Amino acid sequence: DVKVTQSSRYLVKRTGEKVFLECVQDMDHENMFWYRQDPGLGLRLIYFSYDVKMKEKGDIPEGYSVSREKKERFSLILESASTNQTSMYLCASSLSNTQDEQFFGPGTRLTVL
Amino acid sequence: QKEVEQNSGPLSVPEGAIASLNCTYSDRGSQSFFWYRQYSGKSPELIMFIYSNGDKEDGRFTAQLNKASQYVSLLIRDSQPSDSATYLCAGYGGATNKLIFGTGTLLAVQP
Repeated sequence: DVKVTQSSRYLVKRTGEKVFLECVQDMDHENMFWYRQDPGLGLRLIYFSYDVKMKEKGDIPEGYSVSREKKERFSLILESASTNQTSMYLCASSLSNTQDEQFFGPGTRLTVL
Repeated sequence: QKEVEQNSGPLSVPEGAIASLNCTYSDRGSQSFFWYRQYSGKSPELIMFIYSNGDKEDGRFTAQLNKASQYVSLLIRDSQPSDSATYLCAGYGGATNKLIFGTGTLLAVQP
């Protein structure tokens, strides 16, 4: 079974802090994704990566950056957290083709005070 | 205009009935579609995917795709209380070549 894990289930940070969200997948998937999920807005793509050190902006990249130094790990970075970044963050991975099924991690609920 | 649209619900059906969940999309170039189930507080998990016009059945679930009318549906036969969840429709391809999610339909199966 594909396993996607995220470093924290719940996280509370203060405005202006730098925040790191980590995601690890164990099935040698090429593609990895970061989404945020908000009530009424659904899942929105922040960034994705189709290879090590490669990244592409999604629909809402502002205020975020990513890092993929190893194939199995994809990090989302909030350089200076703001209250409007309070959300559920979901990491996903897929095998190789962009149309392959995406497997999701358990999510990190981030609260920025 | 949202690219993938779903009625937010809640859709309430009695146990044992057929639940019908619908989704429309605006990008005519979209090629493949996915249905995810998301329990409250959990992450989405894939139920079915469909690429071709027509029906695709898997156990109690049937996905239907009509590209001419640009809609996708998910039928759940013999609905159970454990089916109560939010169902997310997602479409791939077309202009963005990214997976675009609808906002989901909340299904409540009443015992």
